[in-house]
Amino acid sequence: DTGVSQDPRHKITKRGQNVTFRCDPISEHNRLYWYRQTLGQGPEFLTYFQNEAQLEKSRLLSDRFSAERPKGSFSTLEIQRTEQGDSAMYLCASSSIGTRAHEQFFGPGTRLTVL
Amino acid sequence: DAKTTQPNSMESNEEEPVHLPCNHSTISGTDYIHWYRQLPSQGPEYVIHGLTSNVNNRMASLAIAEDRKSSTLILHRATLRDAAVYYCILGPNAGGTSYGKLTFGQGTILTVHP
Repeated sequence: DTGVSQDPRHKITKRGQNVTFRCDPISEHNRLYWYRQTLGQGPEFLTYFQNEAQLEKSRLLSDRFSAERPKGSFSTLEIQRTEQGDSAMYLCASSSIGTRAHEQFFGPGTRLTVL
Repeated sequence: DAKTTQPNSMESNEEEPVHLPCNHSTISGTDYIHWYRQLPSQGPEYVIHGLTSNVNNRMASLAIAEDRKSSTLILHRATLRDAAVYYCILGPNAGGTSYGKLTFGQGTILTVHP
């Protein structure tokens, strides 16, 4: 079990640029989640995949945000035309369907800073 | 989503037990009670979950009130490594057809003194 990995760990970009983050879940996990966390707050749910299907998107996920999980393995989260308000930690989590379905495993996050 | 209420912060001494309370008076009959913690500069980490009965695992114990309107996470002997933000979260049965979207609050900041 190598855990959930995220890349990059840190990203600094200028307002208006596009950024893409990658998440590699635990290999046998069907479920994948993206969350966003700002300073001093708990993580907020953004979107959920079961295998390659995106089954729920939060209202927080504006049209500038898009997420994919093309082969049901890794996932990408893209933010277009970044704004300073997008600065946050972006967390990915995965879980299985089965006896440990309640347990989400989180990655270390990608910290985005928009200048 | 049903809401939870936790104290903003708590303090403990190393090697003493810690009882972290959570109120969830609007819990539905199918809501599970989950606890996660987040150590500094890390993603959240699963601690424990339960439905009605008290639960124990290697990390902690979860005591659930009989009316399920409150619960307590118990760390039996706090260590410095237990200093973290602890989140109490209500969620559906992720083992069934519902998936386990987590709605985090602000949690309780636990400080452990040596």
